[in-house]
Order: sequence, then structure tokens, then C-alpha cells
Amino acid sequence: GENVEQHPSTLSVQEGDSAVIKCTYSDSASNYFPWYKQELGKRPQLIIDIRSNVGEKKDQRIAVTLNKTAKHFSLHITETQPEDSAVYFCAASIGGSQGNLIFGKGTKLSVKP
Amino acid sequence: SAVISQKPSRDICQRGTSLTIQCQVDSQVTMMFWYRQQPGQSLTLIATANQGSEATYESGFVIDKFPISRPNLTFSTLTVSNMSPEDSSIYLCSVTGGNEKLFFGSGTQLSVL
Repeated sequence: GENVEQHPSTLSVQEGDSAVIKCTYSDSASNYFPWYKQELGKRPQLIIDIRSNVGEKKDQRIAVTLNKTAKHFSLHITETQPEDSAVYFCAASIGGSQGNLIFGKGTKLSVKP
Repeated sequence: SAVISQKPSRDICQRGTSLTIQCQVDSQVTMMFWYRQQPGQSLTLIATANQGSEATYESGFVIDKFPISRPNLTFSTLTVSNMSPEDSSIYLCSVTGGNEKLFFGSGTQLSVL
């Protein structure tokens, strides 16, 4: 079945450093790739997304890149701040449905002041 | 993005009982999705609920265990039936907004004793 692999499972960085989280997916029909941030006890929040017709998208300190040929996509956070500490989930659409997502297992990011 | 409210926010239930979770959206949406997040784990799609039709269940989830209602375009319920401790999870209602991005409700944290 469809699968999304996410690495690393935990990531610790110093404040101001960059953080990179990588995901791979298996479904060739996937065309939508969102990233969610989940703080402890809260709902997942959409932070950025990318569609398969775009290779890169940036929003302030956050960027996402997509290599559709290799079925890889990555989240890049620059100038990390303590409030970036959370669990980050990547996801890929199953087929063309943007609500039907398969999620990675998550990356716990800790930003040390 | 739509405002998505869930009730109850949390509950502690006895083995063998059932719990119905309500999801209310402040705007009309075609598709609603129910996800499960087991403790410390990722999110897994249970089913897709469209108004006026039977819900579509993902592999590993069945209607007898997780019956879903979708009586109109702003409301849905998920029932967790004949509960066991393995059903202890956060259950999340979600919808795709006008831009087809997926947004999550506040979640229902269920503990089964």
C-alpha cells in the first residue's frame, strides 16, 4: 500500500541554526504534499504545502522542496527559534484527493536557546 | 480557514461502551474526514464522509466499529463502538477549505479503561 517515510524521528538544533526534515512517498499519483506542525496537546496546523507542478515554495523562514522523479520532499526551517519546537508531520495525497492524506511518522524538533 | 468544533474534547469511557463524537463546521463543506492519532503516533485516516452518501472507510476500519453520520453540509458524527483500551486515541475531524487545504478540528481525546 501507499507509504510515507519521514526522517529523522527526532532533531535537536541550536537556536538560529537550520533544520531539515525529509520525506519519501510511494504513490506515483500523489500530487499534493502538505506539512503540519503539532504542538503538545494541540491540533495539527498546516504550515506550508506544495503541489506536484512546483519544485519549491517558500514562506518566510520555511521552505519546501519537491523532487517528483525521486519521490522526495523536504521541509527547511531557517533561523530556528524556540517556538519552532514541535512535532512536524509530512503528508502525501492519496491519488488526487487533498483531504485523503497519508502521513509520515513525525519529527520531534527541539530548538535549544 | 473554516472553524471546526468537536465535542466532547475529552472523555474517559468504560470498555464495551460506545461514544459519539460530534463535529460542527461554520461553513458548508462537501467532504469531511475523520482521522485517528494514537498516543505519540502519526495520523491515520479512518473514513471520508460526504453528505448524502455512505462514508468511505480506509483499510483496517469498518462501519460496524466506526459508524459515521453526515446529515448535512456542516455536521458529522463518528461513533466508536464497543470500545476497548486499544481505541484510546485522539480522534480528529477535518475538512478541506475552499482552497482544498485540509484543516483539523480541535480533536477528541478518548481514554478507554
